[in-house]
Order: sequence, then C-alpha cells, then structure tokens
Amino acid sequence: GIQVEQSPPDLILQEGANSTLRCNFSDSVNNLQWFHQNPWGQLINLFYIPSGTKQNGRLSATTVATERYSLLYISSSQTTDSGVYFCAVVLSSNTGKLIFGQGTTLQVKP
Amino acid sequence: DTGVSQDPRHKITKRGQNVTFRCDPISEHNRLYWYRQTLGQGPEFLTYFQNEAQLEKSRLLSDRFSAERPKGSFSTLEIQRTEQGDSAMYLCASSLEGKQFFGPGTRLTVL
Repeated sequence: GIQVEQSPPDLILQEGANSTLRCNFSDSVNNLQWFHQNPWGQLINLFYIPSGTKQNGRLSATTVATERYSLLYISSSQTTDSGVYFCAVVLSSNTGKLIFGQGTTLQVKP
Repeated sequence: DTGVSQDPRHKITKRGQNVTFRCDPISEHNRLYWYRQTLGQGPEFLTYFQNEAQLEKSRLLSDRFSAERPKGSFSTLEIQRTEQGDSAMYLCASSLEGKQFFGPGTRLTVL
C-alpha cells in the first residue's frame, strides 16, 4: 500500500524560529490534508491542498503532486504551535479515506 | 456548535465488556468515517459510510466491531468483548466531498 512518510519525527524550536515539515508519499494521490493535533487529541484542519501553495497567517503549505511531496512552513513559531502535525493523503475519491503519516512532534520553547 | 461531536469523550471499561460510542457529524455531510489512533501513531482508517450505507471496512475492524449509521445522520461504533489491545482514541470525521472534519475523539481504556 501507499507509504506516507513525515520528517523530521521530532523538532524542538525556540519561540520566533521558522520551520519546515515535510511529507513524502509513494503513490499518486487525489488529495492531501495537513492537521495539527492538540494535547487533548483534537485534529485541527490546517490545509486541504492537493496541489499548489496556500497561506493562512503564519502557516503556509505547498504540495508538488507530480513529485509526491508536500511541505508545511511555520514562521515566527509560538508556544501554542506545539503539538503533533500530521499529513494525510486520499488515494481514491470514491471513499475519500485518509491515510496518515506518523506525524512530526513539534515543541516550541519560550 | 456545528462541528463533529462524539460521546463519550472518555470511557474506562473492564476486559470483556461491551462499549458503544456515538458520533454526530456536521449536519449536511453525507460521508462519515471512523478512525483509530494508538499512542505515538497516526490515525488508521476503520470504516466509511455514505449516507446510511457502510461502503468500506478496514481489516482492522474485527468481527467484534460493528458500526451503524441508521438514518444517515449519527453513527455508532460498538466493540464487543473488549480486549486490552482495543485501548485507543476512536476518532470520527465527516465530509461533504473532500475535506474531512474531525470530532474530539473518544479515548477508550480497557483494564
């Protein structure tokens, strides 16, 4: 089956620093979502991005579907950015089920 | 609140007991998904409904698990004869087409 790999697995930043999280996938996908999971387990939608670039405040994402990767950029990080970031892909638009990577755990220190 | 809701948020049970979880999707969403997440892992797909029809089930969904969406609105996930390996976060998501929205999850602990 498809492999979804995220890197790095863990990241520690000082508040104010910038970071780039990467998601590689091994097969063509119909769609891709980025999520932030807060300490209570809630998955929060960040981006729905099958291709191209989107920006939302200090966050932006780029997906290059032909090269099978997506990047999530976090600028001027804040302590509230801490948590686990997941990339998830959709293989088939028939069901739309998501296949998740293992996540990147981000800790932002004050 | 018009988001996805799940009940209960936490459940502690003894091995061998049955448990049932409920998910209320966003009202106009016809697609509903259940996922399971264990510690340190990403969520894994369990099953998918389009309206009231259950169209796909993962091999993770053993015969002790059953899910329903009787009127195409809320859904229930039942686990019979729970085992310690069933301890996990059970997540529900809904979508109209494409983007999925997740509920807060039900954290199950089997003692």
